[in-house]
Amino acid sequence: NAGVTQTPKFQVLKTGQSMTLQCAQDMNHNSMYWYRQDPGMGLRLIYYSASEGTTDKGEVPNGYNVSRLNKREFSLRLESAAPSQTSVYFCASSETQGGTIYFGEGSWLTVV
Amino acid sequence: GENVEQHPSTLSVQEGDSAVIKCTYSDSASNYFPWYKQELGKGPQLIIDIRSNVGEKKDQRIAVTLNKTAKHFSLHITETQPEDSAVYFCAAQGAGTNAGKSTFGDGTTLTVKP
Repeated sequence: NAGVTQTPKFQVLKTGQSMTLQCAQDMNHNSMYWYRQDPGMGLRLIYYSASEGTTDKGEVPNGYNVSRLNKREFSLRLESAAPSQTSVYFCASSETQGGTIYFGEGSWLTVV
Repeated sequence: GENVEQHPSTLSVQEGDSAVIKCTYSDSASNYFPWYKQELGKGPQLIIDIRSNVGEKKDQRIAVTLNKTAKHFSLHITETQPEDSAVYFCAAQGAGTNAGKSTFGDGTTLTVKP
């Protein structure tokens, strides 16, 4: 019963490098999300995908791109990493838009 | 957009006491209010939720109350135990075009002292 699985769990990047965070869910959910969590700032929505084939910007999309590869997978890409993108990233999914959100375990990203 | 404020940011209680965390929201169209518990190194997990047509919901030692008129909702934990120590987040979720866009509070770090 994996739920939402995201990789990698830890990553250190140099400024300007690119990387992709992978996420997959096995609950047959339609909607998927990427959040970032910074100390004292709660969770902020980066991008979301209401259903397969659609993606929309959230609260803090700048510097990121996403791909809804299929119903199961939703990836987050940093094209040119910046120190301000040092954060914990959470992938999440819900059965429908507006339904209960289930989170992955998080990916700790440090940009030096 | 929606704005959610959560208080207090830290809360320390003795084992067996009650803990109350409060949140206010700004968008009267929000209609779903979940509460999440986040343990160290883990992702947030839903512990209880309430929809705008209900004033109170209880699940064993946890309860949530909602006041739509005042636009605030609260988490109540009774008979606290050390394993309740965690960070708790409230969220407000919109309807219509904002459905699925949850806005989170900044979190409350709850410490239960044995």
